[in-house]
Amino acid sequence: GAGVSQTPSNKVTEKGKYVELRCDPISGHTALYWYRQSLGQGPEFLIYFQGTGAADDSGLPNDRFFAVRPEGSVSTLKIQRTERGDSAVYLCASSLIGQNTGELFFGEGSRLTVL
Amino acid sequence: GESVGLHLPTLSVQEGDNSIINCAYSNSASDYFIWYKQESGKGPQFIIDIRSNMDKRQGQRVTVLLNKTVKHLSLQIAATQPGDSAVYFCAENRAGNQFYFGTGTSLTVIP
Repeated sequence: GAGVSQTPSNKVTEKGKYVELRCDPISGHTALYWYRQSLGQGPEFLIYFQGTGAADDSGLPNDRFFAVRPEGSVSTLKIQRTERGDSAVYLCASSLIGQNTGELFFGEGSRLTVL
Repeated sequence: GESVGLHLPTLSVQEGDNSIINCAYSNSASDYFIWYKQESGKGPQFIIDIRSNMDKRQGQRVTVLLNKTVKHLSLQIAATQPGDSAVYFCAENRAGNQFYFGTGTSLTVIP
């Protein structure tokens, strides 16, 4: 597709369950970012990939959160033992150049609700 | 602690008027700033950026001003249109590839 695609668009789960959120970046974009956005707040940085490797995962809140990008394209954000506080919109963004450019192309996000 | 924040959470302007959205930052080491627009239910969309070696940059109907002395950033939108209604975020690049976003300002354009 022409833009960043995220699935599912909405996910409702129960506390304690495991969740996977998928991001399909723009073709050819080497850099991929995950952000989390709570209601009324700006996006919060989680992790950044350059190619297949996580170049910066300092934003992941704890070890329940993990992300992979095995072939340097699609990425999956994995959340174990979900908690109600994990409820948010998870945004994925990609860019052609990962170094010091703000022109990130965002997807529409995956809204996660943990009951 | 360090933060990126906005002076006003909401702003209402008449269609055709100019809009000014402000942003304060506290990390003097930040050297790159970006403005994003986010419409309801969508991801943020890049508007304009500015590096710390500049104090002004213009785009189509938008101008970003950077005052490093007081750590202040502003976005000016000329001849505001209904389609400009959205939440606007400033973001700063502090180190590496992390971009830190502020809370956002909700702009409402009154027809």
